[in-house]
Amino acid sequence: DQQVKQNSPSLSVQEGRISILNCDYTNSMFDYFLWYKKYPAEGPTFLISISSIKDKNEDGRFTVFLNKSAKHLSLHIVPSQPGDSAVYFCAASALPNFGNEKLTFGTGTRLTIIP
Amino acid sequence: DTAVSQTPKYLVTQMGNDKSIKCEQNLGHDTMYWYKQDSKKFLKIMFSYNNKELIINETVPNRFSPKSPDKAHLNLHINSLELGDSAVYFCASSRGQGLNSPLHFGNGTRLTVT
Repeated sequence: DQQVKQNSPSLSVQEGRISILNCDYTNSMFDYFLWYKKYPAEGPTFLISISSIKDKNEDGRFTVFLNKSAKHLSLHIVPSQPGDSAVYFCAASALPNFGNEKLTFGTGTRLTIIP
Repeated sequence: DTAVSQTPKYLVTQMGNDKSIKCEQNLGHDTMYWYKQDSKKFLKIMFSYNNKELIINETVPNRFSPKSPDKAHLNLHINSLELGDSAVYFCASSRGQGLNSPLHFGNGTRLTVT
């Protein structure tokens, strides 16, 4: 049962444009969401997170939007840079299991920034 | 000065063998984890340790045994390896167990069982 879905396995975006990565979830109990970024031959690294009490969180070029009614979140990268080429994982957790050990990850979207 | 390091990077072995993967973190974190990324790219938790004590064991066969000799190390020993064990195994650590303590992952160990 895939509770966190990233339906686009890959995405190509021109350098300088906006990259939008999407994530859908099915568990209405999910209350906290994170994005991790992964380069080849490396482990994932934390990028940005959002709690369900917010609908937007911004950190520099990265903004995550949460639409709870649609059970959808998205990561916007503006402007996209070549170093953003990586696989992006969406992850979610549900109360009362509010801990890293209860994170559910999506299968990732490979973002390629075209110079 | 790697924060979370795991060895080996690649491991090729035959069915039925026993193997270990080592993990060390120099971040002073209290919690360490083992994750498995299967062929479908799902990243799933296997074990979570907090201060050397097992917190969670997520439906993992008992052929998998984690060992935490101290807070900075969490090794994974696998007995009687099976073809289905082929995957990438990631070690991770975090300052605490809460989600406001992001995971720091190692670079992964690609295990291939033939």
